[in-house]
Amino acid sequence: GNSVTQMEGPVTLSEEAFLTINCTYTATGYPSLFWYVQYPGEGLQLLLKATKADDKGSNKGFEATYRKETTSFHLEKGSVQVSDSAVYFCALSDSQGAQKLVFGQGTRLTINP
Amino acid sequence: AAGVIQSPRHLIKEKRETATLKCYPIPRHDTVYWYQQGPGQDPQFLISFYEKMQSDKGSIPDRFSAQQFSDYHSELNMSSLELGDSALYFCASSSGTITGELFFGEGSRLTVL
Repeated sequence: GNSVTQMEGPVTLSEEAFLTINCTYTATGYPSLFWYVQYPGEGLQLLLKATKADDKGSNKGFEATYRKETTSFHLEKGSVQVSDSAVYFCALSDSQGAQKLVFGQGTRLTINP
Repeated sequence: AAGVIQSPRHLIKEKRETATLKCYPIPRHDTVYWYQQGPGQDPQFLISFYEKMQSDKGSIPDRFSAQQFSDYHSELNMSSLELGDSALYFCASSSGTITGELFFGEGSRLTVL
């Protein structure tokens, strides 16, 4: 079945550092890929998405590129802020039309001032 | 903009009791999803409804049931509660036209004592 694997956390960085959170997936067909963010005590918010190979999703300074050849969708940000502290989930949706999401295990990110 | 509304936000129950969670999707969204997120875990898909019919089923225990009503709101009914049911329960909705773009509520936190 479809699955998503994220780099293990927690990740702790200093403000203005470069961020990479790795995400790889296993899926049949051509899934859409997503990054969701969960701030403390809140629900999941869509951060960015990509629906086909070589697409780049971007939002709030975060970027991720859909790499079919490496089955990856790594999240990057050039200069993180304290407000980026949250849990980040990589997810995919089934390519056969089912919209439910399969999530990775989440990566907790803490940014220190 | 209107978001997904879940109630109650917090619920405390004893073992073997029953609990009902409610979800009000974004207006004009026809699909509702339920997810369960245990402490430190990724969200696990439970069940979904499209146009008031069950559309997909995940790891939902037999003790749980759900339905979607004519106004598209959904209820998750949980009976014979166990300690392991303590979790954050998320509802999400989508319009059925954009693959995987789910909008999540803030969740209902269930604690079973």
